[in-house]
Amino acid sequence: EAGVAQSPRYKIIEKRQSVAFWCNPISGHATLYWYQQILGQGPKLLIQFQNNGVVDDSQLPKDRFSAERLKGVDSTLKIQPAKLEDSAVYLCASSLDTRLAEQFFGPGTRLTVL
Amino acid sequence: LAKTTQPISMDSYEGQEVNITCSHNNIATNDYITWYQQFPSQGPRFIIQGYKTKVTNEVASLFIPADRKSSTLSLPRVSLSDTAVYYCLVGGYNFNKFYFGSGTKLNVKP
Repeated sequence: EAGVAQSPRYKIIEKRQSVAFWCNPISGHATLYWYQQILGQGPKLLIQFQNNGVVDDSQLPKDRFSAERLKGVDSTLKIQPAKLEDSAVYLCASSLDTRLAEQFFGPGTRLTVL
Repeated sequence: LAKTTQPISMDSYEGQEVNITCSHNNIATNDYITWYQQFPSQGPRFIIQGYKTKVTNEVASLFIPADRKSSTLSLPRVSLSDTAVYYCLVGGYNFNKFYFGSGTKLNVKP
């Protein structure tokens, strides 16, 4: 079975520019997560979708970050404008359900903001 | 979400059994304990999940005492390929939400 797909794998931008990341979850997985992982730290949940509705976005910096999951499948995470501290790996994960379900992670997008 | 405390790093040798202990004093009644493994440049990967006593699968065992304030991940006979960061997570019952701490970096030496 195909895993979680993410693109691009790497992105380098200058501060104040905008960037978008794309995620395609495992087919049939209703729940989708975006995490930010700064070097040396564990992943931090930014936003969680159940189908196309938001379950939790309490840690999403909403003044610059936005995310959507149209039609309950693919998802896009956008940063506008980017700051130096946004340099991190952005991980997308999906799970079959919302209770005690194994999360399957994609390879991540490594963002460098100069 | 209950937070967890793990050792920052551990060293081991090939063929040894490795036990990584996680402290979660504020675990809630409905919380489960889950462990993930992460290799460099990859996303985390599920290892094992449990609620109490002992759970075993093909790669690891999870020991949870009666008070559930800690748990121990046991990796039998580690190899070089087990060098990774191991995360202990608590939660999951409500909307599958977990808190990833900083994890334990396991270094397996030949």
